[in-house]
Amino acid sequence: DIQMTQSPSSLPASVGDKVTITCRASQSIGSHLNWYQQKPGKAPKLLIYTASSLQGGVPSRFTATASGTDFTLIISSLQPEDFATYYCQQSYTSPYTFGQGTKLEIK
Amino acid sequence: EVQVAESGGGLVQPGGSLRLSCAASGFTVSNNYMNWVRQAPGKGLEWVSILYSSGTTHYADSVQGRFTISRDISKNTVYLQMNSLRAEDSAVYYCARDSSLVRGYSYYYYMDVWGKGTTVTVSS
Repeated sequence: DIQMTQSPSSLPASVGDKVTITCRASQSIGSHLNWYQQKPGKAPKLLIYTASSLQGGVPSRFTATASGTDFTLIISSLQPEDFATYYCQQSYTSPYTFGQGTKLEIK
Repeated sequence: EVQVAESGGGLVQPGGSLRLSCAASGFTVSNNYMNWVRQAPGKGLEWVSILYSSGTTHYADSVQGRFTISRDISKNTVYLQMNSLRAEDSAVYYCARDSSLVRGYSYYYYMDVWGKGTTVTVSS
């Protein structure tokens, strides 16, 4: 199975900060990488698909990049509604696998 | 509106069975890949199973041989039959549609429609 390793697991930040979350795949997955946001008690929400494409309705402050097996989610200027947990997920092959999550917390 | 809604969760004893349902509206389940994803209390997301439009199924190792994913085209509903349940199967179970796009020679998949989840608790 492909392992997805996210870092950090927890990220204290303030409104207006620029934050970066990384995800590393244990093998090459091309651009078969998606990012989700989850708020407490809610279902995950798709943010980014194919490593860097912004899902419709998602604010442009969310961007994502890829380099080899390393993937990055960037939030350019944190807003109060962005404090949540973020997950990467590979869809290159079954079983799909998620990263362990990064909890974005208010500093 | 495109949406899915899970139901069927509840409290079940270890070794018992439960069938979850995922009713879809606004799209046809048989034309899409459909997933079940679960989340144990305080834990991350774990992919459980997928049902391809072809009818092929895949499962996580943790549920292989105990869970079965299926669909009823007439009801536009996907099911997850869960047998031999264990305490570690306790979780919120989400149904999610896989959408796809083609770039070059590759198909890319991403879960763009999620339900609110249904809670399964396995306990005596």
